[in-house]
Amino acid sequence: GAVVSQHPSWVICKSGTSVKIECRSLDFQATTMFWYRQFPKQSLMLMATSNEGSKATYEQGVEKDKFLINHASLTLSTLTVTSAHPEDSSFYICSALKWTTGTYGYTFGSGTRLTVV
Amino acid sequence: AQKVTQAQTEISVVEKEDVTLDCVYETRDTTYYLFWYKQPPSGELVFLIRRNSFDEQNEISGRYSWNFQKSTSSFNFTITASQVVDSAVYFCALSEGDNTDKLIFGTGTRLQVFP
Repeated sequence: GAVVSQHPSWVICKSGTSVKIECRSLDFQATTMFWYRQFPKQSLMLMATSNEGSKATYEQGVEKDKFLINHASLTLSTLTVTSAHPEDSSFYICSALKWTTGTYGYTFGSGTRLTVV
Repeated sequence: AQKVTQAQTEISVVEKEDVTLDCVYETRDTTYYLFWYKQPPSGELVFLIRRNSFDEQNEISGRYSWNFQKSTSSFNFTITASQVVDSAVYFCALSEGDNTDKLIFGTGTRLQVFP
């Protein structure tokens, strides 16, 4: 089956520092990955779509200079939260698009709980 | 633009009751995919089902069943004989088949099953 590994599962950082979250597809190549953010008791909001070898496409209202996304290989996408502030505290989940014959599906990472203090 | 509405924010039932979670979607595409996911307290998303827009057959998987009605743009999910382990947040999601491939989630329904 398709597996996506996301690390770290939780992180606490000081306000003003940067945090990097990794998302790896372990047994398939993911040309497209997605990053979501989920605040407590809310839905998953799509932040951006990253395609291998090109710039990420950000959803409206998401600051691309604050949330840096790099998708340098077919199996790895990273999200860096720069100059994190308490309001960035959230649950971040990545998802990889996996194509099979004629169709596609989504495989999700286990999520990263970020707390900024 | 695609949109998914889950009008029920929270539902509470007692074990063994049947419960239906509603999902209404909006899309301009004729080709699209609908999904249901379960999110337990751990946060990890558990895939439940995927349905494409050309397949309106209802599906049953154990205690789970899904009713897809294109005429009302609905994709409802029923749990029969609910169990405490079914307690979670359930999300309905939509992906349009126009190569953007974005998966957009509904607001979710929190299901609590009491013993």
